[in-house]
Amino acid sequence: NAGVTQTPKFQVLKTGQSMTLQCAQDMNHNSMYWYRQDPGMGLRLIYYSASEGTTDKGEVPNGYNVSRLNKREFSLRLESAAPSQTSVYFCASSEGWAWEYFGAGTRLSVL
Amino acid sequence: KNQVEQSPQSLIILEGKNCTLQCNYTVSPFSNLRWYKQDTGRGPVSLTIMTFSENTKSNGRYTATLDADTKQSSLHITASQLSDSASYICVVSDSGGFKTIFGAGTRLFVKA
Repeated sequence: NAGVTQTPKFQVLKTGQSMTLQCAQDMNHNSMYWYRQDPGMGLRLIYYSASEGTTDKGEVPNGYNVSRLNKREFSLRLESAAPSQTSVYFCASSEGWAWEYFGAGTRLSVL
Repeated sequence: KNQVEQSPQSLIILEGKNCTLQCNYTVSPFSNLRWYKQDTGRGPVSLTIMTFSENTKSNGRYTATLDADTKQSSLHITASQLSDSASYICVVSDSGGFKTIFGAGTRLFVKA
C-alpha cells in the first residue's frame, strides 16, 4: 500500500517554463488536495478536489491549474513558472473531512 | 481573519523529558483540530484529530487537548525519544472542513 505518491521528487525550472506535478493515491479517497509549503509559513491550499470531476480554488490558486484525471490521480500544472513559485509542493488525500494523508513532496526551484 | 498560532517556534529538550506544544486559533465556526508530525524532508503525518465535543485524544506518547471555549489546544509528548525530533503542525478546519488553516509549526529537537 503506497498511500500518496508524488512525482517528481525534485525539479529545477527556468522562469517561463511549464511543468506538471503528478499525484496518485491508492486509498480510494474522494478528496484530494495540493498545498505549497514555504519557510516559516503554514501549508497553504492551492486547489482541491472534493470528488472525481470537481475542482475548486484554495487560498493561493494564481499561476496554477489542476486536473482530477480520475479518482486516483490529481495533477498540478504550472503554465509559466515564476521564481515566486519556488516551494515544496504536497499532495494529500482524505475521505470527507477526516485527516489527510500526505505525499513525500516535490521540491521545486524556479530560477 | 482565521488564524492558527503555534508556540514556541522551536524547542530543544533532552531525551526522556516531557514537553508541551501550544496552538491558539481563531477559526470560526470550528469543526475539527488536527495535529501532524512532519519529519525533515517528508510529508506531514497525522497524530490526532478532535472535534469540538472532544477535549483530549491520545496516540501513544502523544496526547492532545482541546479547549473550544478558549480556542486553545496543546500537544503533550511524554518520555521524548530522538525520533520525536520533527516539526509539529496544528491544523484547524471550519464547519464543512474545506476552510483549513495550517499553523507554521513548532520545530522540536530532542538531544541525547
